[in-house]
Amino acid sequence: GENVEQHPSTLSVQEGDSAVIKCTYSDSASNYFPWYKQELGKRPQLIIDIRSNVGEKKDQRIAVTLNKTAKHFSLHITETQPEDSAVYFCAALLSGDDKIIFGKGTRLHILP
Amino acid sequence: GAGVSQTPSNKVTEKGKYVELRCDPISGHTALYWYRQSLGQGPEFLIYFQGTGAADDSGLPNDRFFAVRPEGSVSTLKIQRTERGDSAVYLCASSLQAGANTGELFFGEGSRLTVL
Repeated sequence: GENVEQHPSTLSVQEGDSAVIKCTYSDSASNYFPWYKQELGKRPQLIIDIRSNVGEKKDQRIAVTLNKTAKHFSLHITETQPEDSAVYFCAALLSGDDKIIFGKGTRLHILP
Repeated sequence: GAGVSQTPSNKVTEKGKYVELRCDPISGHTALYWYRQSLGQGPEFLIYFQGTGAADDSGLPNDRFFAVRPEGSVSTLKIQRTERGDSAVYLCASSLQAGANTGELFFGEGSRLTVL
């Protein structure tokens, strides 16, 4: 079936460095790609999203890039801070089905 | 309410029992989703409502699982003859629009189900 693959599953970066998380999707007609952040014991919350009519979107230290030809999209966090430590999930809206499918998540550790 | 509300927050039950999990979405949100999240995993799609009807229930694991949204607002996820493998956090989310204009999903805090 349609799915979203995410890697790495765990990522450790030094505070102040950049972090990159990558996802691939299988449904070539997918047109909406959100990223969610989930802190321990909390609910997932949207941090940024992108639609297929643009290739990149930025919001302060966070950016998402989309390559529709290759069917992959990435989350970039610059100047990482301790509060960036969390699990990050990519997701894709499956066209026709109108359901949002999530990746398995990346646990990001920001090292002091 | 201000956000998506789920009850109960925790439910411990015995194998074979029946369980109901309730979700109260944000007022005015037409789309409502149920996901299941096991430890260390991403949210797994179960079912999606557009208004009162189930637009897609392809993620329900088997016929022990059923969900309703009779008035297009509150939804109940029902699990019959619970099994230990049903233990997980059940997340509900709502969004203002659906289909091609789907936007942010607003999640509830989840209902943690433990089947002994």
